[in-house]
Amino acid sequence: EDQVTQSPEALRLQEGESSSLNCSYTVSGLRGLFWYRQDPGKGPEFLFTLYSAGEEKEKERLKATLTKKESFLHITAPKPEDSATYLCAVSISGSARQLTFGSGTQLTVLP
Amino acid sequence: DAGVIQSPRHEVTEMGQEVTLRCKPISGHDYLFWYRQTMMRGLELLIYFNNNVPIDDSGMPEDRFSAKMPNASFSTLKIQPSEPRDSAVYFCASSLTQADTQYFGPGTRLTVL
Repeated sequence: EDQVTQSPEALRLQEGESSSLNCSYTVSGLRGLFWYRQDPGKGPEFLFTLYSAGEEKEKERLKATLTKKESFLHITAPKPEDSATYLCAVSISGSARQLTFGSGTQLTVLP
Repeated sequence: DAGVIQSPRHEVTEMGQEVTLRCKPISGHDYLFWYRQTMMRGLELLIYFNNNVPIDDSGMPEDRFSAKMPNASFSTLKIQPSEPRDSAVYFCASSLTQADTQYFGPGTRLTVL
């Protein structure tokens, strides 16, 4: 069965304290892995798409990386405004189903 | 573009009533998705459309749920009759192609008393 697991469930960081969020997946064939950010009361906001192992993408303080079994979202020197829930999702090759989402990591950055 | 538009933003209703949620996708996007988000189950795909045609409705929980897309700029998700366990946030998303990024609307928070 295709699975997407995110860890940790929640993470509290001090401002400037770098860390990483993990998204591990077990799927029959990965077509793409997506990272979204979700603020309270809002819809998920697209951050990155990764398609092949070894690929990396960056945006401001965020960098996403992909291996054959997992993806990491690295947050460098976070600020309080980075506080949000970060969701990863996978698109599976040969499947009519679209994105399968993980349960998310709730990040809190303290000033 | 204004992005994906959903209405209403909040809906409070009583058990047994009919509920209709509305979505306007981004212009030019051929795919439209309906999701439900709860604390227990996270974000779940209910149904998606391609060029106004339902492609996969295997995520629709029961026959009480139905979705339509009468044209490229409008879709509805209907629950009849509603039950308290239907309380959740319902999101609509759209994408240009099947493999493309999905863009989400702000959601409708549904509370069934």
